[in-house]
Amino acid sequence: AIQVTQSPSSLSASVGDTVTITCRTSQGVTNDLGWYQQKPGKAPKLLIYAASNLQSGVPSRFSGRGSATDFTLTISSLQPEDFATYYCLQDYNYPYTFGQGTKLE
Amino acid sequence: EVQLLESGGNLVQPGGSLRLSCAASGFIFNNFAMSWVRQAPGKGLEWVSAISGSAASTYYADSLKGRFTISRDNSKKTLYLQMNSLRAEDTAVYFCAKSKNEYSNYGSFDSWGQGTLVTVSS
Repeated sequence: AIQVTQSPSSLSASVGDTVTITCRTSQGVTNDLGWYQQKPGKAPKLLIYAASNLQSGVPSRFSGRGSATDFTLTISSLQPEDFATYYCLQDYNYPYTFGQGTKLE
Repeated sequence: EVQLLESGGNLVQPGGSLRLSCAASGFIFNNFAMSWVRQAPGKGLEWVSAISGSAASTYYADSLKGRFTISRDNSKKTLYLQMNSLRAEDTAVYFCAKSKNEYSNYGSFDSWGQGTLVTVSS
């Protein structure tokens, strides 16, 4: 199975900051990686698909980059509603694998 | 509007069985692969299983070791997860999720249900 290593596990930031979260896969997944936001007690929400494509309705301050094994999610100008946990997911091959999560606080 | 509504979560004893359901609406159900994803209390997300739109292909997490079976009834627009030989470590909220890519077995999850809680305990 493809391993996904996400870092950091937690991140302290303030409103207005720009933050970057990284995922690395144990083998190349082309651009088949998505980013999700999850708030406590809620289902995850898709932010970015195919590494760099913004899901409909998601603010443009969210952006994704990368291919093969290295990927980043950047959130520019943090808003209060952005404080949540973020996960990456490789959907290149089964079994799909999530990163360990990054709690933004 | 896409809606996914899970049901069937409950308290079950170790070694027991449970069947989860996910009722779908708002999209052409049989055109999209579907997955189950779980989240143990206070832990991260874990992909569990997926099934193609036609149900011809199924996929499972290595850790399940044949205890779970995914299926779907396209006439009822419902996804299922049959869970057998349940263990304490299967305790989690189980989400169903819709693949974004039509006519493909792969893709990100663009819609999620609200989740159903499975508790395995004596």
